[in-house]
Amino acid sequence: DTGVSQDPRHKITKRGQNVTFRCDPISEHNRLYWYRQTLGQGPEFLTYFQNEAQLEKSRLLSDRFSAERPKGSFSTLEIQRTEQGDSAMYLCASSLDGDQNIQYFGAGTRLSVL
Amino acid sequence: DQQVKQNSPSLSVQEGRISILNCDYTNSMFDYFLWYKKYPAEGPTFLISISSIKDKNEDGRFTVFLNKSAKHLSLHIVPSQPGDSAVYFCAASRINNYQLIWGAGTKLIIKP
Repeated sequence: DTGVSQDPRHKITKRGQNVTFRCDPISEHNRLYWYRQTLGQGPEFLTYFQNEAQLEKSRLLSDRFSAERPKGSFSTLEIQRTEQGDSAMYLCASSLDGDQNIQYFGAGTRLSVL
Repeated sequence: DQQVKQNSPSLSVQEGRISILNCDYTNSMFDYFLWYKKYPAEGPTFLISISSIKDKNEDGRFTVFLNKSAKHLSLHIVPSQPGDSAVYFCAASRINNYQLIWGAGTKLIIKP
Protein backbone atom coordinates (compact mmCIF):
# COMPACT_ATOMS: atom_id res chain seq x y z
CA ASP A 1 0.00 0.00 0.00
CA THR A 2 1.63 3.24 -1.11
CA GLY A 3 -0.99 5.66 0.24
CA VAL A 4 -0.84 7.89 3.30
CA SER A 5 -0.93 5.87 6.50
CA GLN A 6 -1.78 7.06 9.98
CA ASP A 7 -1.27 5.38 13.30
CA PRO A 8 -3.11 4.72 15.51
CA ARG A 9 -6.54 4.66 13.92
CA HIS A 10 -8.23 5.23 17.24
CA LYS A 11 -6.97 6.67 20.51
CA ILE A 12 -8.91 6.95 23.74
CA THR A 13 -7.25 8.94 26.49
CA LYS A 14 -8.07 10.63 29.74
CA ARG A 15 -8.13 14.38 30.04
CA GLY A 16 -4.70 15.74 30.90
CA GLN A 17 -2.74 12.95 29.21
CA ASN A 18 -0.38 13.47 26.29
CA VAL A 19 -0.96 11.73 22.96
CA THR A 20 1.14 11.38 19.83
CA PHE A 21 0.00 10.47 16.35
CA ARG A 22 2.12 9.40 13.43
CA CYS A 23 1.69 9.99 9.71
CA ASP A 24 3.62 8.35 6.90
CA PRO A 25 3.04 10.24 3.64
CA ILE A 26 3.30 8.93 0.12
CA SER A 27 7.02 8.37 -0.26
CA GLU A 28 7.89 10.90 -2.96
CA HIS A 29 5.64 13.65 -1.58
CA ASN A 30 7.53 16.59 -0.11
CA ARG A 31 4.54 18.37 1.42
CA LEU A 32 2.68 17.14 4.45
CA TYR A 33 -0.41 18.59 6.12
CA TRP A 34 -2.35 18.03 9.33
CA TYR A 35 -6.05 18.75 9.57
CA ARG A 36 -8.65 18.31 12.29
CA GLN A 37 -12.23 17.31 11.57
CA THR A 38 -15.17 17.35 13.94
CA LEU A 39 -18.58 15.82 13.35
CA GLY A 40 -20.59 17.51 10.62
CA GLN A 41 -17.74 19.78 9.57
CA GLY A 42 -15.11 19.77 6.91
CA PRO A 43 -11.45 19.37 7.81
CA GLU A 44 -9.74 22.40 9.37
CA PHE A 45 -6.13 23.14 8.54
CA LEU A 46 -3.67 22.82 11.41
CA THR A 47 -0.17 22.90 9.96
CA TYR A 48 1.92 22.28 6.86
CA PHE A 49 5.46 21.05 6.18
CA GLN A 50 7.56 21.36 3.10
CA ASN A 51 10.19 18.66 3.55
CA GLU A 52 11.27 19.04 7.19
CA ALA A 53 10.38 22.73 7.49
CA GLN A 54 7.12 23.66 9.20
CA LEU A 55 6.00 26.57 7.04
CA GLU A 56 2.56 27.39 8.31
CA LYS A 57 0.58 26.93 11.50
CA SER A 58 -3.08 27.70 12.09
CA ARG A 59 -4.18 29.69 15.11
CA LEU A 60 -6.10 26.50 15.94
CA LEU A 61 -2.75 24.96 16.84
CA SER A 62 -2.46 26.05 20.46
CA ASP A 63 0.70 25.79 22.53
CA ARG A 64 -0.37 22.31 23.57
CA PHE A 65 0.00 21.08 20.00
CA SER A 66 3.32 20.40 18.35
CA ALA A 67 4.13 18.79 15.04
CA GLU A 68 7.43 17.58 13.65
CA ARG A 69 8.75 16.10 10.48
CA PRO A 70 12.36 15.45 11.44
CA LYS A 71 13.79 13.97 8.27
CA GLY A 72 11.23 15.20 5.80
CA SER A 73 9.54 11.81 5.75
CA PHE A 74 7.08 10.78 8.47
CA SER A 75 5.49 13.32 10.80
CA THR A 76 4.21 13.27 14.35
CA LEU A 77 1.52 15.39 15.96
CA GLU A 78 1.62 15.61 19.74
CA ILE A 79 -1.11 17.01 21.95
CA GLN A 80 -0.10 17.73 25.52
CA ARG A 81 -2.52 17.93 28.45
CA THR A 82 -5.45 16.82 26.32
CA GLU A 83 -8.85 18.45 26.81
CA GLN A 84 -12.29 17.13 25.91
CA GLY A 85 -12.46 19.72 23.15
CA ASP A 86 -9.53 18.00 21.46
CA SER A 87 -11.76 15.04 20.62
CA ALA A 88 -11.84 14.92 16.82
CA MET A 89 -10.55 13.11 13.77
CA TYR A 90 -6.97 14.11 12.96
CA LEU A 91 -6.21 13.79 9.28
CA CYS A 92 -2.85 13.80 7.58
CA ALA A 93 -2.36 14.52 3.88
CA SER A 94 0.55 14.77 1.52
CA SER A 95 1.15 16.30 -1.87
CA LEU A 96 3.83 16.73 -4.48
CA ASP A 97 5.36 19.88 -5.97
CA GLY A 98 3.93 20.54 -9.38
CA ASP A 99 0.78 18.54 -8.68
CA GLN A 100 -1.25 21.71 -8.19
CA ASN A 101 -2.69 21.42 -4.74
CA ILE A 102 -4.11 17.92 -4.86
CA GLN A 103 -3.69 16.50 -1.39
CA TYR A 104 -3.94 12.79 -0.63
CA PHE A 105 -5.34 11.85 2.72
CA GLY A 106 -4.86 9.08 5.21
CA ALA A 107 -7.77 7.45 7.00
CA GLY A 108 -7.18 9.58 10.08
CA THR A 109 -6.72 9.06 13.80
CA ARG A 110 -9.88 9.38 15.84
CA LEU A 111 -9.13 10.85 19.27
CA SER A 112 -11.57 10.55 22.14
CA VAL A 113 -10.71 12.43 25.32
CA LEU A 114 -12.68 11.24 28.34
CA ASP B 1 -16.24 32.94 9.14
CA GLN B 2 -17.21 30.23 6.69
CA GLN B 3 -15.40 30.99 3.48
CA VAL B 4 -16.65 27.85 1.76
CA LYS B 5 -20.26 26.82 2.19
CA GLN B 6 -22.17 23.74 1.22
CA ASN B 7 -25.72 24.57 2.13
CA SER B 8 -27.26 21.17 1.55
CA PRO B 9 -26.33 18.72 4.31
CA SER B 10 -27.82 15.86 2.31
CA LEU B 11 -29.13 14.99 -1.13
CA SER B 12 -31.05 11.94 -2.30
CA VAL B 13 -31.00 10.99 -6.00
CA GLN B 14 -32.38 8.07 -7.97
CA GLU B 15 -29.82 5.74 -9.50
CA GLY B 16 -29.16 6.67 -13.12
CA ARG B 17 -30.21 10.30 -12.67
CA ILE B 18 -28.00 13.36 -12.38
CA SER B 19 -26.64 14.41 -8.99
CA ILE B 20 -25.82 18.10 -8.58
CA LEU B 21 -23.87 19.21 -5.55
CA ASN B 22 -23.38 22.90 -4.89
CA CYS B 23 -20.73 24.98 -3.19
CA ASP B 24 -20.44 28.72 -2.58
CA TYR B 25 -17.41 30.70 -1.52
CA THR B 26 -16.81 34.20 -0.30
CA ASN B 27 -13.09 34.81 -0.80
CA SER B 28 -12.35 36.16 -4.27
CA MET B 29 -8.68 35.25 -3.76
CA PHE B 30 -9.43 31.54 -4.12
CA ASP B 31 -7.97 30.34 -7.39
CA TYR B 32 -8.23 26.57 -7.19
CA PHE B 33 -11.15 24.39 -6.20
CA LEU B 34 -11.34 20.70 -5.46
CA TRP B 35 -14.01 18.12 -4.77
CA TYR B 36 -13.35 15.23 -2.47
CA LYS B 37 -15.44 12.18 -1.71
CA LYS B 38 -15.43 10.53 1.69
CA TYR B 39 -16.68 7.10 2.70
CA PRO B 40 -17.16 6.21 6.38
CA ALA B 41 -13.95 5.26 8.19
CA GLU B 42 -11.82 6.49 5.29
CA GLY B 43 -10.02 9.72 4.57
CA PRO B 44 -11.25 12.10 1.87
CA THR B 45 -10.39 10.98 -1.66
CA PHE B 46 -9.65 13.49 -4.41
CA LEU B 47 -12.28 13.48 -7.12
CA ILE B 48 -11.87 16.42 -9.48
CA SER B 49 -10.54 19.97 -9.47
CA ILE B 50 -10.81 23.20 -11.39
CA SER B 51 -8.61 26.25 -11.73
CA SER B 52 -10.14 29.71 -11.66
CA ILE B 53 -9.03 30.28 -15.24
CA LYS B 54 -11.54 27.67 -16.38
CA ASP B 55 -15.27 27.42 -16.04
CA LYS B 56 -15.65 23.69 -16.61
CA ASN B 57 -13.65 20.54 -16.06
CA GLU B 58 -14.81 17.05 -16.92
CA ASP B 59 -13.59 13.62 -15.91
CA GLY B 60 -15.76 10.71 -16.93
CA ARG B 61 -19.08 10.90 -15.12
CA PHE B 62 -17.93 13.92 -13.09
CA THR B 63 -18.06 17.53 -14.23
CA VAL B 64 -17.29 20.59 -12.17
CA PHE B 65 -18.60 24.01 -13.17
CA LEU B 66 -17.22 27.26 -11.84
CA ASN B 67 -19.09 30.58 -11.91
CA LYS B 68 -16.61 33.14 -10.65
CA SER B 69 -18.97 36.09 -10.78
CA ALA B 70 -21.41 34.24 -8.55
CA LYS B 71 -18.63 32.65 -6.47
CA HIS B 72 -20.33 29.33 -7.01
CA LEU B 73 -19.27 25.91 -8.14
CA SER B 74 -21.15 22.73 -8.70
CA LEU B 75 -20.33 19.07 -9.19
CA HIS B 76 -22.45 17.06 -11.59
CA ILE B 77 -22.45 13.28 -11.52
CA VAL B 78 -24.08 11.60 -14.51
CA PRO B 79 -25.33 8.93 -14.30
CA SER B 80 -25.41 8.46 -10.55
CA GLN B 81 -24.47 5.02 -9.28
CA PRO B 82 -24.93 3.35 -5.87
CA GLY B 83 -21.18 3.54 -5.24
CA ASP B 84 -21.43 7.33 -5.43
CA SER B 85 -23.20 7.36 -2.07
CA ALA B 86 -20.74 9.23 0.15
CA VAL B 87 -20.08 12.63 1.69
CA TYR B 88 -18.80 15.15 -0.84
CA PHE B 89 -16.61 18.03 0.24
CA CYS B 90 -15.82 21.17 -1.68
CA ALA B 91 -12.43 22.75 -0.90
CA ALA B 92 -10.64 25.87 -2.07
CA SER B 93 -7.16 27.30 -1.94
CA ARG B 94 -5.56 30.66 -2.60
CA ILE B 95 -2.62 31.57 -4.79
CA ASN B 96 0.67 30.45 -3.19
CA ASN B 97 -1.13 29.15 -0.12
CA TYR B 98 -1.32 25.42 0.34
CA GLN B 99 -3.94 25.09 2.99
CA LEU B 100 -7.31 23.91 1.80
CA ILE B 101 -10.44 25.62 3.11
CA TRP B 102 -13.31 23.16 3.27
CA GLY B 103 -17.06 23.21 3.19
CA ALA B 104 -19.04 21.16 5.70
CA GLY B 105 -19.91 18.48 3.17
CA THR B 106 -23.03 17.13 1.50
CA LYS B 107 -24.11 13.56 2.08
CA LEU B 108 -25.22 12.06 -1.24
CA ILE B 109 -27.53 9.06 -1.13
CA ILE B 110 -28.17 7.20 -4.36
CA LYS B 111 -31.43 5.27 -4.23
CA PRO B 112 -31.69 2.04 -6.26
